[in-house]
Order: sequence, then structure tokens, then C-alpha cells
Amino acid sequence: EVVLTQSPATLSLSPGERATVSCGASQSVSSNYLAWYQQKPGLAPRLLIYDASSRATGIPDRFSGSGSGTDFTLTISRLEPEDSAVYYCQQYGSSPYSFGQGTKLEIK
Amino acid sequence: QVQLQESGPRLVRPSGTLSLTCTVSGASLGNYYWNWIRQPAGKGLEWIGRISTTGSTSYNPSLKSRVTMSLDASKKQFSLNLSSMTAADAAVYYCARQTVAYTNNWYLGWFDPWGQGTLVTVSS
Repeated sequence: EVVLTQSPATLSLSPGERATVSCGASQSVSSNYLAWYQQKPGLAPRLLIYDASSRATGIPDRFSGSGSGTDFTLTISRLEPEDSAVYYCQQYGSSPYSFGQGTKLEIK
Repeated sequence: QVQLQESGPRLVRPSGTLSLTCTVSGASLGNYYWNWIRQPAGKGLEWIGRISTTGSTSYNPSLKSRVTMSLDASKKQFSLNLSSMTAADAAVYYCARQTVAYTNNWYLGWFDPWGQGTLVTVSS
């Protein structure tokens, strides 16, 4: 099983700043089959990024994904108040699919 | 616009079986895979398993002995049964659609969209 470890656990930034969330895999993620999701309280996760760097439909270009192999990054440039949420990475390259433990982003 | 909606009992007795159904609207079930994911209160996400429209299934080994999934394409529904429930199984249960994508080859991709989730409590 591929174990995904996210860092940091919590991030506190101001509007307009840049957020960087890391996701490390215990083994190489097959073909960079990695997604990022945003989850706000009481809501289901929302797809942001798939295949490590492709933005999902309707997602602002402030959100970007990068990385390959075992190291992946979600970057949110020019933070806005509505970006406050928990962010999860997920690999779908091998079964069982797995998620990172989440990174909580707080906008000051 | 594709929408998914979970339904089923919110309260399950210890040692009982959880039965949930996910109803899909706005699209047929074909050409996708259909998944269940759960999230205990205040915790992260755990993949439970998936089913295709041909009935092919794949389950998380951590739950495999207790999970059964089924699909009824005519009703645009797929279901989850989880037996021998304990307090550790209390969670929000989500259903989600999984894309079948193609670059150099076909592959099972990301989850989108998700249902709104249903909170399941385990108590006598």
C-alpha cells in the first residue's frame, strides 16, 4: 500500500500570500496518478487537481499541482478567504487507493 | 450536471450490517467506476472500494472480509454493505464517481463528483 504523508499539518497565511502543501509517497506513484481535493467543513471533498498537474474543470488558475515519483506539491497563489479548507492528496495509481492525512489551511 | 446522493439508515447496531445506496442523476453509470469512501469524525479519508458497470469489484484489504458492493444500472444506483459493524466504523460515508481516462493507455483516474455524504452512527 502506498502511504501518503502531507506537510505541514496546519498552515496559517494571509490573503494574497502563497500556500505550498507537500505530499510525499512511501513509493513511487504510478504514472503520477495523484489528485488533490479541497474539503470545507460539512461538505464533500472537491476535486482540484488530477494527474498531478491538471486542473479540474472550473478550478481557478491560482491552484496548481506539480511533482512526480514520490514528491508532489499543491500551490495556491494569491490566497483568498474562501481558500480556507482542508486539502488532501490521493493516489490512484495502485490499489488500495490512499489519501494523505490532510493539511488544514487557515486564512488569517 | 451529474449528482450523487447517498441514502440508507443512519443508525446501525453493533455487529449489524450497514446498507447504503448511492443514486446517480444527470448521467448513466456506463464508462465510469463507482466508489465508496468514508471519513470518521474529525479524521481523514479512507477508500472502501469500487465497482464497475460489469460488476467487477475491488475492495480495500483492510475491509475486504466485511464489504460487498453491487450495482443496478437500470436504477442508476450502486450499493455498499458493510457487515459486523463496530464503533470504529462510525463515519461519514461518501459515494463518488471515478473517471476512466486515456493518455497512452486506459487507466482508472480521479474521483469527481462526490455525493454529499451520509453520517452513520453505530450504537445499541
